[in-house]
Amino acid sequence: DAKTTQPTSMDCAEGRAANLPCNHSTISGNEYVYWYRQIHSQGPQYIIHGLKNNETNEMASLIITEDRKSSTLILPHATLRDTAVYYCIASNAGGTSYGKLTFGQGTILTVHP
Amino acid sequence: DSGVTQTPKHLITATGQRVTLRCSPRSGDLSVYWYQQSLDQGLQFLIQYYNGEERAKGNILERFSAQQFPDLHSELNLSSLELGDSALYFCASSPSRGGNEKLFFGSGTQLSVL
Repeated sequence: DAKTTQPTSMDCAEGRAANLPCNHSTISGNEYVYWYRQIHSQGPQYIIHGLKNNETNEMASLIITEDRKSSTLILPHATLRDTAVYYCIASNAGGTSYGKLTFGQGTILTVHP
Repeated sequence: DSGVTQTPKHLITATGQRVTLRCSPRSGDLSVYWYQQSLDQGLQFLIQYYNGEERAKGNILERFSAQQFPDLHSELNLSSLELGDSALYFCASSPSRGGNEKLFFGSGTQLSVL
């Protein structure tokens, strides 16, 4: 898995968009970008993943730069329940990595009233 | 609720002992993954099973072993426990062999070795 770099922590006001950056400058062409989050020692929760194109689902949007060296996870209207550790992972989970994911330290997002 | 069930939620034991952690995957999921989360190491992949067979191995100690049964539930066996084995152990499942799909994690088993 390619190494990813995320800020250690971020703050966001409730109701505003939370934009979480991730750098993956050594990502290879067949590696996807995955985002998971972990709320206070619960099991990690899948958020979204993508390869090249921007993706959106009911939870978030994923914006991947054209050179694929970085991405941004966007939570459009953050709530207090979005306070969690957010992990950005670059992995070719379908290839030799199978389904194993390498979790880094992640970004602690704190949403405040 | 992810649909993945892990038991027990908490386990307290002594050094040198052996414990078994149990995981029931989501209905229909054939792959089971085990992860360990400790304060100093973060979340680490241990092992994956697909339809009863070992599929991939990570940083799993020789004192640890796992298996997946015909009904697809899985057990992680930890033996000769040491203080450093204290951690949260998560099980995850996915529908297939581990392609580019999402993993569903259980709520974990908190193991404390005293």
